[in-house]
Amino acid sequence: QKEVEQDPGPLSVPEGAIVSLNCTYSNSAFQYFMWYRQYSRKGPELLMYTYSSGNKEDGRFTAQVDKSSKYISLFIRDSQPSDSATYLCATQSGNTPLVFGKGTRLSVIA
Amino acid sequence: KAGVTQTPRYLIKTRGQQVTLSCSPISGHRSVSWYQQTPGQGLQFLFEYFSETQRNKGNFPGRFSGRQFSNSRSEMNVSTLELGDSALYLCASSPGVNYGYTFGSGTRLTVV
Repeated sequence: QKEVEQDPGPLSVPEGAIVSLNCTYSNSAFQYFMWYRQYSRKGPELLMYTYSSGNKEDGRFTAQVDKSSKYISLFIRDSQPSDSATYLCATQSGNTPLVFGKGTRLSVIA
Repeated sequence: KAGVTQTPRYLIKTRGQQVTLSCSPISGHRSVSWYQQTPGQGLQFLFEYFSETQRNKGNFPGRFSGRQFSNSRSEMNVSTLELGDSALYLCASSPGVNYGYTFGSGTRLTVV
């Protein structure tokens, strides 16, 4: 079992839709959870950074962590064509390296 | 504030050659990590340096090596290149532990 599992998609939604992206992880020691967005030919860009369980909101983006079920989510409200990218979840425990999911490719259609 | 700078952006090398990639972190960031990204395996951790010391190492063969200089700039080297080393190599920097990482745009290495 991989440490972080993420559905690769692709996921295609109409503009204005609410998007839900999800990951599961296996290591209960993970404490830090991140979402990155990666456009084609670019490096990943940090979108959200959360510690332990709970929700964090930033504009149209909400990150949710449920440590009891080892489940992390990213919600995008009022999705825009500019949100079309690959979204990567990542987790970390203390000083250990980031462990990434393989990414979900999202297309928002105008 | 300048971001993470990686050079070169693109490289084409022949099997058996060696290559050196460079990364300049954000000013003040002391931690530099390297990742290999391929369509099949996603992002895989290579190594991390903090204040010139290797802090973590991923599960890659000894052909992959790195170092960090006193100004926090980092280099990674791949010797005896193989076709399977073709990938996007990403560098990320961070001020310290658990601050989140900022990535560069990567070096696209093609081995022919």
